[in-house]
Amino acid sequence: AQSVSQHNHHVILSEAASLELGCNYSYGGTVNLFWYVQYPGQHLQLLLKYFSGDPLVKGIKGFEAEFIKSKFSFNLRKPSVQWSDTAEYFCAVNGGVSGTYKYIFGTGTRLKVLA
Amino acid sequence: DTGVSQDPRHKITKRGQNVTFRCDPISEHNRLYWYRQTLGQGPEFLTYFQNEAQLEKSRLLSDRFSAERPKGSFSTLEIQRTEQGDSAMYLCASSLSTGTGSAEAFFGQGTRLTVV
Repeated sequence: AQSVSQHNHHVILSEAASLELGCNYSYGGTVNLFWYVQYPGQHLQLLLKYFSGDPLVKGIKGFEAEFIKSKFSFNLRKPSVQWSDTAEYFCAVNGGVSGTYKYIFGTGTRLKVLA
Repeated sequence: DTGVSQDPRHKITKRGQNVTFRCDPISEHNRLYWYRQTLGQGPEFLTYFQNEAQLEKSRLLSDRFSAERPKGSFSTLEIQRTEQGDSAMYLCASSLSTGTGSAEAFFGQGTRLTVV
């Protein structure tokens, strides 16, 4: 079955620390990749997306992600986190050999940034 | 703001009652999705529409759940004979399809259902 794995369930960092959140997927074929963020009390918002082209994509608020096809990974990074980055982060995938348009989400990573 | 709108935001119902939720997508979006999210989990796919056609439905979705999108605009999700296990946040999302199928989904605020 198609799935998305996020191995870090809870991450606690101090401000200015660097962040990397892992995401692996089990699709074959061409996929579209996404990172969404959910701030406390708010709806899911898109951080960044990868459809094709340069595997290093930049999103909002200084976030970036790298698509490594050989590793089926799409890890999220930020060089220096801020207290306001405290949120839950979800990796999502669609496409693949079945060509499905539904988005499959990982279980999420809850990030807490200490001031 | 012309984002995805969901109504109601909160619903408390007694076990065994029927509930219906509404979703208004972004106006030009032709795909509409329903998801369910419980605490500590990612959004779980329920079903999606392209225009008025329901193209996929999760095998996890029991026959107590039904969704419609009669005119290809707003959508409703009905849960019949609610059970306590149905308590969750129900999310609606929409996207604009392209020839390659690559598009991001825009999510609404969700409807939080509590079955007592």
